[in-house]
Amino acid sequence: GEDVEQSLFLSVREGDSSVINCTYTDSSSTYLYWYKQEPGAGLQLLTYIFSNMDMKQDQRLTVLLNKKDKHLSLRIADTQTGDSAIYFCAERYGGATNKLIFGTGTLLAVQP
Amino acid sequence: DGGITQSPKYLFRKEGQNVTLSCEQNLNHDAMYWYRQDPGQGLRLIYYSQIVNDFQKGDIAEGYSVSREKKESFPLTVTSAQKNPTAFYLCASSPSGGALETQYFGPGTRLLVL
Repeated sequence: GEDVEQSLFLSVREGDSSVINCTYTDSSSTYLYWYKQEPGAGLQLLTYIFSNMDMKQDQRLTVLLNKKDKHLSLRIADTQTGDSAIYFCAERYGGATNKLIFGTGTLLAVQP
Repeated sequence: DGGITQSPKYLFRKEGQNVTLSCEQNLNHDAMYWYRQDPGQGLRLIYYSQIVNDFQKGDIAEGYSVSREKKESFPLTVTSAQKNPTAFYLCASSPSGGALETQYFGPGTRLLVL
């Protein structure tokens, strides 16, 4: 079945870069997403990448996709304390419906 | 302001009772979704609806029911048959449920069974 895995925790210092990794299993995925969840809140879409792209940059965010290895990463440049949150990657399950498979989430802690 | 609202933010239920969680959107989206989030786990799909008066089971539909009588509303009922209902529930919507769409999420409802 489909499975999306992430490491549970990442700690960085303010101003450093953060890299959050994700592996997925469904090779027919068309879109892959990164969502941010702040404490007690819903999910906020950060960025997404289409499966025929290798990289997408959006201000401080860089998404890298290695389709051969089914590996997705999110790099946050100049990480700020406001970036502290849980980050979920999600893949769109292949098929006609818009079904998303979410990873377990990575808690990013930014130390001042 | 366009968006998705969920109410209440916190909900307490006694064991054996049914409870209904509200989800409303004014984005004019056709498709709506309910997810459940447990600590240390990703979101799991409970039910989704691509159009009014139609809905489909997700991965963990047992013990839940939904209705979609209006485009803007997709309430979720957690029934007494759901054995472990304590969780954070998230509602989402997308324009038509099609392949290339992004889902937008509400703020969530935290359900606690006493």
